[in-house]
Amino acid sequence: SQQGEEDPQALSIQEGENATMNCSYKTSINNLQWYRQNSGRGLVHLILIRSNEREKHSGRLRVTLDTSKKSSSLLITASRAADTASYFCATLSGGGNKLTFGTGTQLKVEL
Amino acid sequence: EAGVAQSPRYKIIEKRQSVAFWCNPISGHATLYWYQQILGQGPKLLIQFQNNGVVDDSQLPKDRFSAERLKGVDSTLKIQPAKLEDSAVYLCASSLVGTGNEQYFGPGTRLTVT
Repeated sequence: SQQGEEDPQALSIQEGENATMNCSYKTSINNLQWYRQNSGRGLVHLILIRSNEREKHSGRLRVTLDTSKKSSSLLITASRAADTASYFCATLSGGGNKLTFGTGTQLKVEL
Repeated sequence: EAGVAQSPRYKIIEKRQSVAFWCNPISGHATLYWYQQILGQGPKLLIQFQNNGVVDDSQLPKDRFSAERLKGVDSTLKIQPAKLEDSAVYLCASSLVGTGNEQYFGPGTRLTVT
């Protein structure tokens, strides 16, 4: 079963604009991770935020986590055509340490 | 460093046939995962190995799917017999310790069952 639900399912923006995608989950987590998937490079880890962290930055990426609302957001600033991909949130929870992926947001960045 | 290797990249079989996928993780990564990704969905964990022991196989359809990781390095995932609904991309990933760390994914094997 999928723990995370990304919103929106699809997003189309112009190059240079910012892209924001959201993830909601159901159970308490140890950490939350964001991955990117495109046909060229497969599934790639972007950033990890722990349950006791509220915000994290990596280059043009900014991730926030609100454990009270069981939600996270990924902001990509100054988007580029190369950012076109599907973005997935994945939650690590429970004693079994299982990573559960959401349904993904398809981002298209147009020139 | 070399990434996670998988083969074959593509496979087309008829239903009721068998198929096997191979994965070679990043050197030194003790944990290995197999995921199934159906078109339009996120990856779903099938099985997780720590060295050559199974940590989690709760979502593996054991009546038709099997996996092994001999010697704690390479792994194979087998489907026998295949069903139409097994059409998906099968992803292998590895990580250093448990799943608290980031996972590194291979390119996947795209399986089509006709």
